[in-house]
Amino acid sequence: DGGITQSPKYLFRKEGQNVTLSCEQNLNHDAMYWYRQDPGQGLRLIYYSQIVNDFQKGDIAEGYSVSREKKESFPLTVTSAQKNPTAFYLCASSRRADYTFGSGTRLTVV
Amino acid sequence: ILNVEQSPQSLHVQEGDSTNFTCSFPSSNFYALHWYRWETAKSPEALFVMTLNGDEKKKGRISATLNTKEGYSYLYIKGSQPEDSATYLCAFFNAGGTSYGKLTFGQGTILTVHP
Repeated sequence: DGGITQSPKYLFRKEGQNVTLSCEQNLNHDAMYWYRQDPGQGLRLIYYSQIVNDFQKGDIAEGYSVSREKKESFPLTVTSAQKNPTAFYLCASSRRADYTFGSGTRLTVV
Repeated sequence: ILNVEQSPQSLHVQEGDSTNFTCSFPSSNFYALHWYRWETAKSPEALFVMTLNGDEKKKGRISATLNTKEGYSYLYIKGSQPEDSATYLCAFFNAGGTSYGKLTFGQGTILTVHP
């Protein structure tokens, strides 16, 4: 079955450490996205990529980095520069306006 | 940053009640309005993609309407059931400007249906 896989589902990080969240899709979608959700807020766009080897900052990119070396993969690194990293992170891919979402990773900084 | 607003933020209803929520969005550069149903620990599930002013779409007990000129969409649930409990998200797909080709989400409406 085609879909998006995010791993891990839960992640704990010590303050000051970088951590990388995985997102893999087998839908042959060109575009991929990372969103963040905080309590009481909608999904906010961190980074997106519309083609391999290219990506753009979203609305809240500070403290995050991404790469898009393969069409299937769009990993997100939460760096130590991100001041409030504890959140729920959701990956998506799309073809035109047809979006598919992963089931998310909950990151907690301890 | 585009402004997509949903109301109410949360809603508690009794089983069998009918309910509705609102999504407001910019009326310019409209391409599509998406509705998603999102249960905890699962992926958001697409309910409707609405593109034309005056669109009405229905899926079982759930329906949605769209007014692109005034920038709002309503989602209706008829005869709510406990399994309808979820967060309902709307998202605006922009046709132009710096947000072209991206979804901008509202904050969601959390629906709880009590047996």
